[in-house]
Amino acid sequence: RKEVEQDPGPFNVPEGATVAFNCTYSNSASQSFFWYRQDCRKEPKLLMSVYSSGNEDGRFTAQLNRASQYISLLIRDSKLSDSATYLCVVKAGNQFYFGTGTSLTVIP
Amino acid sequence: GAVVSQHPSRVICKSGTSVKIECRSLDFQATTMFWYRQFPKQSLMLMATSNEGSKATYEQGVEKDKFLINHASLTLSTLTVTSAHPEDSSFYICSARAGQGTGDTQYFGPGTRLTVL
Repeated sequence: RKEVEQDPGPFNVPEGATVAFNCTYSNSASQSFFWYRQDCRKEPKLLMSVYSSGNEDGRFTAQLNRASQYISLLIRDSKLSDSATYLCVVKAGNQFYFGTGTSLTVIP
Repeated sequence: GAVVSQHPSRVICKSGTSVKIECRSLDFQATTMFWYRQFPKQSLMLMATSNEGSKATYEQGVEKDKFLINHASLTLSTLTVTSAHPEDSSFYICSARAGQGTGDTQYFGPGTRLTVL
């Protein structure tokens, strides 16, 4: 079983839509969680950390459910510029585990 | 966020030559750096974890004699692809682990696109 699993998509949504991604992790001792964004042929960039109480940054909301061992990312009012691959990253001990990424395309 | 640079951004070389890629953390000290490889339309693959002042830890299937890693200082790690072959053509990305004060996560360099002819 993979440490981190994500639905690869692709998710194709119209501009202005709300879209949500989920990510599950297998190690219950995981202590830190992140969402990264990777544009085509570019490096991943940190989008946001995920805190236990959930956190919001503009149109982006991240949530953590420790009991079910998943994290989520909600994007409201999608923009064309949100098109990218979104990577779920989980840290357990000194190890970082990456999901394979979820591809999002926002359509005009 | 923290800044990581990588050099060169792109390199084209002949088969059999060696290529050195540098990864630098510009505004923080990184005791741990990571080297990844990414083939087109595939996910990141961790190659090795580089700890300052000690030998790198390689992932299963990654040849340590082919991919030489040196982490001589808290701000610099290098990856040397020795005797490169066309199948080594890929996007190589480094990342540096920032400490608790900066979120204890990884920040990525812009990547090096290697093409071996």
